[in-house]
Amino acid sequence: GIQVEQSPPDLILQEGANSTLRCNFSDSVNNLQWFHQNPWGQLINLFYIPSGTKQNGRLSATTVATERYSLLYISSSQTTDSGVYFCAAKPNSNSGYALNFGKGTSLLVTP
Amino acid sequence: SAVISQKPSRDICQRGTSLTIQCQVDSQVTMMFWYRQQPGQSLTLIATANQGSEATYESGFVIDKFPISRPNLTFSTLTVSNMSPEDSSIYLCSAVLSGAGEQYFGPGTRLTVT
Repeated sequence: GIQVEQSPPDLILQEGANSTLRCNFSDSVNNLQWFHQNPWGQLINLFYIPSGTKQNGRLSATTVATERYSLLYISSSQTTDSGVYFCAAKPNSNSGYALNFGKGTSLLVTP
Repeated sequence: SAVISQKPSRDICQRGTSLTIQCQVDSQVTMMFWYRQQPGQSLTLIATANQGSEATYESGFVIDKFPISRPNLTFSTLTVSNMSPEDSSIYLCSAVLSGAGEQYFGPGTRLTVT
């Protein structure tokens, strides 16, 4: 099946800093999503981005489908950004809509 | 976006018992899924809940252990049967809106088996 690899696995930032999270995938995809899992376990949708660039406030994401990677940018980080960020993808070759998840990037933003 | 609720939000169960988790979506959806997240791990797909037919299970998951029902387009249940401590996980349901590809998740059910 498709391999979804995220880097870095862990990241510690001081409040106000910027960061880039990366997601590499091993097959062509028709769905690529970024999620934030908060400390209570809730998965929050950040971006649905199988290709192109999107922005939402301090967050933006870019997927280069031809090169099989996606980037999540966090600017002016806040302590509430702490948690685990997951990238998940569905390959073109699979029927249905089930997602394959990466192992996540654990982010801690300190005051 | 869809609103997805799950019940219970958490439970502590004894070894050998079973727990049924409910998932309710506020609109009709064609695709619903059940995922498991073991402590400190990523999410793993258990099965696709098919409306009107048997669920489609991923490798390593079997119907006897994780029976799933999907009686209509807004509701599904997952039962964790004959539980052992290794079943302690967060169980999440998700749904894809008809005609779109974006997947939304419920808040999860945090299960502890003692």
